[in-house]
Amino acid sequence: NAGVMQNPRHLVRRRGQEARLRCSPMKGHSHVYWYRQLPEEGLKFMVYLQKENIIDESGMPKERFSAEFPKEGPSILRIQQVVRGDSAAYFCASSSETFWDSEGYGYTFGSGTRLTVV
Amino acid sequence: AQTVTQSQPEMSVQEAETVTLSCTYDTSESDYYLFWYKQPPSRQMILVIRQEAYKQQNATENRFSVNFQKAAKSFSLKISDSQLGDAAMYFCALILSGANSKLTFGKGITLSVRP
Repeated sequence: NAGVMQNPRHLVRRRGQEARLRCSPMKGHSHVYWYRQLPEEGLKFMVYLQKENIIDESGMPKERFSAEFPKEGPSILRIQQVVRGDSAAYFCASSSETFWDSEGYGYTFGSGTRLTVV
Repeated sequence: AQTVTQSQPEMSVQEAETVTLSCTYDTSESDYYLFWYKQPPSRQMILVIRQEAYKQQNATENRFSVNFQKAAKSFSLKISDSQLGDAAMYFCALILSGANSKLTFGKGITLSVRP
């Protein structure tokens, strides 16, 4: 199992540009979560999605941020008109329908995308 | 809402010695899981150990064990026979059980291991 795949690993954007972060969940997992980690901080929940549905977006900033998890393809976290304060590591995690799947995997994280806004 | 508090920003331990990392949490729910994650410089979030709140027995995974005190809402991690590879950020986290939901993390603690 390839695990949760995130790309790119590093992303540099100029202020005002758009950033697109991709996440392919673990095989057999249908639930995706996005977290943001600011320097010297723990991870903060942003959004929880299932295929074609946003389940909980209580941690998403009201403007410029959006997320999707289409029927086909990876989940995308999109940040429009990036600002310096968006610089952070963005993590994706996935889980199965039953949370703990048959192989004992529960909540599994990708390696993150480090976004730097210059 | 759930909160997780890690009040020690940094700790240091001598190689082969034992160290305990502290964590307290708050939730009004009775059914939840607690986790310790390790984050090395590679940034990968690695699950170290998990504890189900309904289990009284403390979880152990090789050199890692927890002291789970449900009434006190305390969940500390003990690392025995510390190794250089244990040096990393460690995060305590909580998730409500029963449905897929979000993890609530503490701010983390940086553990250094002295050779």
